[in-house]
Amino acid sequence: DAGVTQSPTHLIKTRGQQVTLRCSPKSGHDTVSWYQQALGQGPQFIFQYYEEEERQRGNFPDRFSGHQFPNYSSELNVNALLLGDSALYLCASSLASTGPLNQPQHFGDGTRLSIL
Amino acid sequence: SQQGEEDPQALSIQEGENATMNCSYKTSINNLQWYRQNSGRGLVHLILIRSNEREKHSGRLRVTLDTSKKSSSLLITASRAADTASYFCATGHSDTGRRALTFGSGTRLQVQP
Repeated sequence: DAGVTQSPTHLIKTRGQQVTLRCSPKSGHDTVSWYQQALGQGPQFIFQYYEEEERQRGNFPDRFSGHQFPNYSSELNVNALLLGDSALYLCASSLASTGPLNQPQHFGDGTRLSIL
Repeated sequence: SQQGEEDPQALSIQEGENATMNCSYKTSINNLQWYRQNSGRGLVHLILIRSNEREKHSGRLRVTLDTSKKSSSLLITASRAADTASYFCATGHSDTGRRALTFGSGTRLQVQP
């Protein structure tokens, strides 16, 4: 049973560039949430996707956008990269019918994004 | 902003000792979860405790929840070097319509062999 997979594992970009990160949820899950984790901090919620729509969004600017595909996989796009966007980006999946807050979230190992 | 705050920020113990981490939060919750994160890896779920529960056990882990004090504790008994990791509490607040977990800043546990 495949867990949550994320790609790429590491990425180096320069300021002003754009980046796309990818996530495949755990088999059977239909909801994907994205988190940003700065070094030494806890994960911060970016947004959540269900039925190919953004269902909720955290306190992140419009430079952060996403997409969910019919197979439930998801992408996170960040435009006009800033030095402060350097972080570990985590994807978590869950099952909507159980309620995302009432069940364990299954996390991938993340994408380490470094901005030069 | 962080909802939960873990205490201590860092903890170093010897193998075989017990480790206790605390988490405080600010608003009412539906449940509270604890996660472990090994260096450079994703988060692994440990325990979920609901707001109407006071204590929960899983193997060497014991979690308590005191909703009147808005706090929780995670106890790891007979620690092992493999328990070295960061531990995070995360809260769910469905009454606010929020569908995502709010994480604290974590406790970094070092277990010396």
